[in-house]
Amino acid sequence: LAKTTQPISMDSYEGQEVNITCSHNNIATNDYITWYQQFPSQGPRFIIQGYKTKVTNEVASLFIPADRKSSTLSLPRVSLSDTAVYYCLVGDVGNQFYFGTGTSLTVIP
Amino acid sequence: DAGVTQSPTHLIKTRGQQVTLRCSPKSGHDTVSWYQQALGQGPQFIFQYYEEEERQRGNFPDRFSGHQFPNYSSELNVNALLLGDSALYLCASSLEAIWQGSSSGNTIYFGEGSWLTVV
Repeated sequence: LAKTTQPISMDSYEGQEVNITCSHNNIATNDYITWYQQFPSQGPRFIIQGYKTKVTNEVASLFIPADRKSSTLSLPRVSLSDTAVYYCLVGDVGNQFYFGTGTSLTVIP
Repeated sequence: DAGVTQSPTHLIKTRGQQVTLRCSPKSGHDTVSWYQQALGQGPQFIFQYYEEEERQRGNFPDRFSGHQFPNYSSELNVNALLLGDSALYLCASSLEAIWQGSSSGNTIYFGEGSWLTVV
C-alpha cells in the first residue's frame, strides 16, 4: 500500500503559482497519482491524475519525474477560493487509497 | 450525468443505536468504497465493494458492515454506535478496469458525505 507524504500546510498570496509536492517512495507499477481538493464539510473533489511525465488540465498541472517517487501539483494564479486541503493519492482503483494528512493551503489576499 | 449521491446528509444517533447510510454511484460506475473522516483528519478507508462483494477492508471493526446491490448502489451499516463514530462518511465510486499503462487511469469520485453525530 503506497503511502504519501505532503507538507502539512502552505500559505500563498493571491495571484501566485503554488506548487505542492508529494512523496510516494513505494509507488507500484500499476499505481496512478491523483490529487483531490477538499473544502470543509464537503467530499473531496478530483483535480488531476497522472501516471508519468506531465499532465495539464484547465485547473492544474501535475509533474511526475521519471522515477515516479514524487509528484508536484501546480496551481497557477491561486485565488481566495483555492483555500482548501489538497490530498495526494497513489494507487489503482482495485486497491484502497491512503489519504494521509493532506496539505492545508491558505491563500492570502 | 448524476454524480455520487449520498443520503442522509446529516443525522444524529444515540450511543448503542444502529445506522444505515446509503450511496448511489456515479452513472456507469460499478465499484463503491466507503471512507470515514473525523474532524480535522484525512479520510480513512473502511471497505470497497465490487460485484456485490466486499473486496478490500481497512482497519475497522466488524460493527462496520456493508452491502452492494445489483444496481451498484451501496449501504454502510454501523452497529452499536460509539461516540467516536461521529464523523463524515464518504462514499466513492469508480469503474473497474484493466490497467493499460496510459496517462489517464480510472478516477474515484466522491459524494458530499453523510454527517453522523453520535450523542
